[in-house]
Amino acid sequence: KNEVEQSPQNLTAQEGEFITINCSYSVGISALHWLQQHPGGGIVSLFMLSSGKKKHGRLIATINIQEKHSSLHITASHPRDSAVYICGGTGNQFYFGTGTSLTVIP
Amino acid sequence: DAGVIQSPRHEVTEMGQEVTLRCKPISGHNSLFWYRQTMMRGLELLIYFNNNVPIDDSGMPEDRFSAKMPNASFSTLKIQPSEPRDSAVYFCASSPGQGANYGYTFGSGTRLTVV
Repeated sequence: KNEVEQSPQNLTAQEGEFITINCSYSVGISALHWLQQHPGGGIVSLFMLSSGKKKHGRLIATINIQEKHSSLHITASHPRDSAVYICGGTGNQFYFGTGTSLTVIP
Repeated sequence: DAGVIQSPRHEVTEMGQEVTLRCKPISGHNSLFWYRQTMMRGLELLIYFNNNVPIDDSGMPEDRFSAKMPNASFSTLKIQPSEPRDSAVYFCASSPGQGANYGYTFGSGTRLTVV
């Protein structure tokens, strides 16, 4: 059983669509991270949150601590958003989901 | 700021050889992390340091792996002897606080191929 589960594993969307990626975790964490990995392989930290909601440009991340669930939303999706999005929890230990591969088609 | 700097970017080595990966964290960051990424297992934490001291090395696969952080600006991850199953992308990341609860900055990674 994975401590962090992401859904969907793969997602294809048309440019302009609203996208949601979900992350559920089963362990206690201090913070939840959303990472973005582009086809070139580099990893960028998008968000780190422990409660509520954060917004950066067209990206919004939310977390519900009681339900142990987080979502990453992308508004007005664009082909450059195509990447693998990885959810992870940190605290006493570190756990990562296997990623959601997003492809946005023009 | 140049970000987290890793070297080499790519490494191809023969089974049994020693491999050393290098990382320079962002100046002022207190925590440094070594991660390994494979298709099968995704992103896994190998070890993390806080103020140059190893805090959690439970992810280090076996005695063939060792990591050091002799000072605040440099860390190495060594594999000796290397095996084909060690082939992966190894990322170094740093964080301004203790642990990762202040966000990460990742290096570009080292793609290791052991043949």
